[in-house]
Amino acid sequence: NAGVTQTPKFQVLKTGQSMTLQCAQDMNHNSMYWYRQDPGMGLRLIYYSASEGTTDKGEVPNGYNVSRLNKREFSLRLESAAPSQTSVYFCASSEIDYGYTFGSGTRLTVV
Amino acid sequence: ILNVEQSPQSLHVQEGDSTNFTCSFPSSNFYALHWYRWETAKSPEALFVMTLNGDEKKKGRISATLNTKEGYSYLYIKGSQPEDSATYLCAPTTNAGKSTFGDGTTLTVKP
Repeated sequence: NAGVTQTPKFQVLKTGQSMTLQCAQDMNHNSMYWYRQDPGMGLRLIYYSASEGTTDKGEVPNGYNVSRLNKREFSLRLESAAPSQTSVYFCASSEIDYGYTFGSGTRLTVV
Repeated sequence: ILNVEQSPQSLHVQEGDSTNFTCSFPSSNFYALHWYRWETAKSPEALFVMTLNGDEKKKGRISATLNTKEGYSYLYIKGSQPEDSATYLCAPTTNAGKSTFGDGTTLTVKP
């Protein structure tokens, strides 16, 4: 099925560990995004990529890095995980006329 | 980042009740508005995309209207069912292609 594939679905990290969340879309969308969702809060934009080769900070970029590897793939890296980064992470892609398609989410716990 | 307000923040209704909620956004530089439905433990899914002032969209018992001049959209659910329980997000998009998600209205429908 066409859509956004996000891995892993669950992850537990110790404080200070690093990890990369992977995201791939097969809809030929130019724009891709990483959001986090915390209890009682809406979606907060971490980073986005308007097109292959470009990335920009969103509302809450601190502690994260991203790579737009090609048009399909957009990864999110936590270099030194902190408990404050415990959250559910969503990758999404979009074209302006069609709205966003979201991945299934990654539930990350940092202990 | 656009100032997007959704109200109410949460809503509890009985099965069979009809309900509506509001999304307010800046009317300047408007391009489109998307509504999403977000069920617990899932990812947001697109409901409607609207672009023109006066647009009305309908999908089953759910409908939406758009007023771009005053910067608001209403989402209506007729005869609510327990399966309608979800958080409903709106996301206006500017003509520069920038989208901002509201914090959502969380609807709970009691049998």
